[in-house]
Amino acid sequence: SQQGEEDPQALSIQEGENATMNCSYKTSINNLQWYRQNSGRGLVHLILIRSNEREKHSGRLRVTLDTSKKSSSLLITASRAADTASYFCAGKTSYDKVIFGPGTSLSVIP
Amino acid sequence: DTEVTQTPKHLVMGMTNKKSLKCEQHMGHRAMYWYKQKAKKPPELMFVYSYEKLSINESVPSRFSPECPNSSLLNLHLHALQPEDSALYLCASSQAPIRGINQPQHFGDGTRLSIL
Repeated sequence: SQQGEEDPQALSIQEGENATMNCSYKTSINNLQWYRQNSGRGLVHLILIRSNEREKHSGRLRVTLDTSKKSSSLLITASRAADTASYFCAGKTSYDKVIFGPGTSLSVIP
Repeated sequence: DTEVTQTPKHLVMGMTNKKSLKCEQHMGHRAMYWYKQKAKKPPELMFVYSYEKLSINESVPSRFSPECPNSSLLNLHLHALQPEDSALYLCASSQAPIRGINQPQHFGDGTRLSIL
């Protein structure tokens, strides 16, 4: 089963544009995390937003969380070719267990 | 370079072989994880160790046997695997949950496993 569902599944943009990815989840969470995975590599943690937070920034990343709609969005501003990767949201359903959404594949064209 | 080291990076084995995947971290994390990831899919949780004790087994077939010899090491012993077990196996570590709140996970680059 999947805790998160990302939208869109694939996104292609020009360098310099903003990229927005959305994540919806089914059960209550205490936090939601976003990860990036470059081709052939492991996942890298990007940002964690707690259930009592609505928005969080980290560099070019902006994450929002709407617990009433059970949804989150990740915005990458001024995208670069190096941002090309798969992006996953992840939420916790029970103690120690984190489930990842299906992911969004982002392509940034130079 | 990642702070979680997995070896080997690639492994090809027959269905009758026995092999082990290794994972090491020196960040003082007390939670460690094994995930299986198929191409273009998200990681699927297999096992979780918390303070060197197995806390979650996601109904993984017994041909996969995890082991946590100490707080820095995590092994995954493989025996009599099937072709459908071919995948990227990822190890991760994190601080133990604090008041039930899970902490960010640090991933290795994985072992790409092919079963002939």
